[in-house]
Amino acid sequence: EPEVTQTPSHQVTQMGQEVILRCVPISNHLYFYWYRQILGQKVEFLVSFYNNEISEKSEIFDDQFSVERPDGSNFTLKIRSTKLEDSAMYFCASSVQGGQPQHFGDGTRLSIL
Amino acid sequence: GENVEQHPSTLSVQEGDSAVIKCTYSDSASNYFPWYKQELGKGPQLIIDIRSNVGEKKDQRIAVTLNKTAKHFSLHITETQPEDSAVYFCAASMTGGGADGLTFGKGTHLIIQP
Repeated sequence: EPEVTQTPSHQVTQMGQEVILRCVPISNHLYFYWYRQILGQKVEFLVSFYNNEISEKSEIFDDQFSVERPDGSNFTLKIRSTKLEDSAMYFCASSVQGGQPQHFGDGTRLSIL
Repeated sequence: GENVEQHPSTLSVQEGDSAVIKCTYSDSASNYFPWYKQELGKGPQLIIDIRSNVGEKKDQRIAVTLNKTAKHFSLHITETQPEDSAVYFCAASMTGGGADGLTFGKGTHLIIQP
């Protein structure tokens, strides 16, 4: 069964550094999403992306965050200057169309030191 | 914005018994309600979903019910098995054909006692 893949599984970064999290959505999916889950808390929506532009974003997704689809298969989340509070699990998801079920990857654990 | 409340936070049931997890939502415009199962070290896995034009949906041992008037929906698992042990999340969104983000509940840790 096709799945969303995320790399790396664990990323450790010094505070203030830039980090890029990578995702390969399911191949025929057109809508892409990023979520985060701080330890012990609920999964929170960050941003959605369609047709090479942001479709919707939450108030968490401020100017330090950006997303990009650099080629036909990858979807990335960049955090420009990481803070301690950015430590969380980051999940990528994709759906074949808007309003259709979202399928999640296994996440990247981001640890900011 | 939408707010989803989920309870209980932990649910322990004997193997073979039924488990029920309940969620409420605040935005009456929400029309899509998926349930996800998350095992340790894995991402959320969609197990069942329901749309607002349907009151109930069933898939083998799993069923979901939706009460739009009361703005609550529930997950029912019958004949529970050890492999049902996981964290379950409910979610809600208003889907208009666009890339709508899901609002999640806080999760229920389901423990199946052998």
